[in-house]
Amino acid sequence: DAKTTQPPSMDCAEGRAANLPCNHSTISGNEYVYWYRQIHSQGPQYIIHGLKNNETNEMASLIITEDRKSSTLILPHATLRDTAVYYCIVGPSGAGSYQLTFGKGTKLSVIP
Amino acid sequence: SAVISQKPSRDICQRGTSLTIQCQVDSQVTMMFWYRQQPGQSLTLIATANQGSEATYESGFVIDKFPISRPNLTFSTLTVSNMSPEDSSIYLCSVVGGGTEAFFGQGTRLTVV
Repeated sequence: DAKTTQPPSMDCAEGRAANLPCNHSTISGNEYVYWYRQIHSQGPQYIIHGLKNNETNEMASLIITEDRKSSTLILPHATLRDTAVYYCIVGPSGAGSYQLTFGKGTKLSVIP
Repeated sequence: SAVISQKPSRDICQRGTSLTIQCQVDSQVTMMFWYRQQPGQSLTLIATANQGSEATYESGFVIDKFPISRPNLTFSTLTVSNMSPEDSSIYLCSVVGGGTEAFFGQGTRLTVV
């Protein structure tokens, strides 16, 4: 079973920041938080991942709480092309453990 | 990142037949996986394709139904055998390269009639 809880859906106005929350209260010390998204009819796309520090790349920022029990993915300026299902996934930590367990994700709709 | 080519992109098959899906990666990768996404559902891991040895299947998936080959570090196949309408899904190949992030193919959309 997925170790994460996400809201089933969210709306965001185009040009505004999209903040997608994720709860992972049972995360273990060596597990990472990964975010992927799946645009309709495409394979999932890797966005970002982190262990305990906040991370930023060209696509998004990842904010992880100090206790690591929750995180937020931030898309700073959402566009219509960001409409997708966003998956928050705990693990893998490497060392042979690379399988992903997908939950239901959050369906983000970016509205003009 | 890795570029993954999956073939076919879609197919419509008769029940009782088999379909082999190919996954080609543009570079050698450590790990290859096969996932299934049933209509309106999330992704479920079928198996890990091991190079030079038998695949490792997840609970609920068996080799007779989903035989997998991985002859080298850039190629794998998944066969869906003796198909029924319940096998209608998107089948996705995924790879992990130098890091821990995974990359996915565009999927094979299978309809069994």
